[in-house]
Amino acid sequence: AQKITQTQPGMFVQEKEAVTLDCTYDTSDQSYGLFWYKQPSSGEMIFLIYQGSYDEQNATEGRYSLNFQKARKSANLVISASQLGDSAMYFCAMRGDSGGSNYKLTFGKGTLLTVNP
Amino acid sequence: NAGVTQTPKFQVLKTGQSMTLQCAQDMNHEYMSWYRQDPGMGLRLIHYSVGAGITDQGEVPNGYNVSRSTTEDFPLRLLSAAPSQTSVYFCASSYSIRSNEKLFFGSGTQLSVL
Repeated sequence: AQKITQTQPGMFVQEKEAVTLDCTYDTSDQSYGLFWYKQPSSGEMIFLIYQGSYDEQNATEGRYSLNFQKARKSANLVISASQLGDSAMYFCAMRGDSGGSNYKLTFGKGTLLTVNP
Repeated sequence: NAGVTQTPKFQVLKTGQSMTLQCAQDMNHEYMSWYRQDPGMGLRLIHYSVGAGITDQGEVPNGYNVSRSTTEDFPLRLLSAAPSQTSVYFCASSYSIRSNEKLFFGSGTQLSVL
């Protein structure tokens, strides 16, 4: 079974500062994918970034980067230069490649990020 | 470029009523799924499909039915609504079930059962 743990129910950051949202995972799959989604107050789920378990480099997408530490089973999201529009709920998720773990994304419970002006 | 279209956006039901949440995608995705989102619980899988005519249960399937007669459509049926089914429902799809495939989400349906 797969499990995603997000230990920070809420985080605060000042505008223009960087923030790290924590995510640890557990899986028995050798191959898997890690995802981060953003859910603003309007409710839609927005894909941010993806990291494959065999990718040697950390993924980056604009101001988002994923700090992937495979041995520690962590996949933290780093947002640089925070903006007011970054205030949202952030979900870490994973998908395996076999044994039924590929039939779904397993989600963490989310971290509510508030960016202060 | 519609993506995943989900209707309705809001719905209020009385206990015991039935209804169908509609989901359609225009990306020729093989995989489609329904999730429910409850406060503090993240998103949990209700049912999924890996192709037309193929469906299976997720983590929380009780009280819900699905069918997939076409690649594009994947409706979710509530047979006899209960207050415990008050939630936000998301339809999501992906091209395949490979681990590198992200899910594309619909805009969600906020359902209240009184």
